Amino acid sequence: KAGVTQTPRYLIKTRGQQVTLSCSPISGHRSVSWYQQTPGQGLQFLFEYFSETQRNKGNFPGRFSGRQFSNSRSEMNVSTLELGDSALYLCASSLFALDGNQPQHFGDGTRLSIL
Amino acid sequence: DAKTTQPPSMDCAEGRAANLPCNHSTISGNEYVYWYRQIHSQGPQYIIHGLKNNETNEMASLIITEDRKSSTLILPHATLRDTAVYYCIVLLTGTASKLTFGTGTRLQVTL
Repeated sequence: KAGVTQTPRYLIKTRGQQVTLSCSPISGHRSVSWYQQTPGQGLQFLFEYFSETQRNKGNFPGRFSGRQFSNSRSEMNVSTLELGDSALYLCASSLFALDGNQPQHFGDGTRLSIL
Repeated sequence: DAKTTQPPSMDCAEGRAANLPCNHSTISGNEYVYWYRQIHSQGPQYIIHGLKNNETNEMASLIITEDRKSSTLILPHATLRDTAVYYCIVLLTGTASKLTFGTGTRLQVTL
């Protein structure tokens, strides 16, 4: 069974640009969550999508947005990139909506570098 | 979610069992114990989770004490590929549980 697939693996952008990251969950999984991981802040929750609806959102500015398609694939968009957005962006999928008893399975992430 | 405490680092000889402890003394009755690990430059990998009974899967065993205040993750036959940072997390049921990782335990498996 294929795992969570994230594309691209690496991305270099400059300040002010925007970026779209893609995530394909494990087949049959309907919930997709996005996280930002940095050495200083650790793992931070961005948002969760289930059945094409955003269920939960973390404390990130509106520049960070996402969506989920009917096949459960998800995209995350960051507009007006800042140097501080440099991070590893992780996508995690789970069978059902997050409820504390749903293991989340992660992809290997997209490493975004802002110049 | 309850806080967890883990030793910062541990060593284990290849082929031996690795026993990673976690303290979660403020855990409540409806909080699950989860274990993840992260190998450098890869995404976190789910290992196992449990509520109050011991659990075993193809990767590891999870032993939770009767009072649920601590747990131990057991990798029965550690290999070099098990070298990683291991995170113990407590998540509340019935809520949209967002993962956060503490500092974890850096397990070094050696020849």
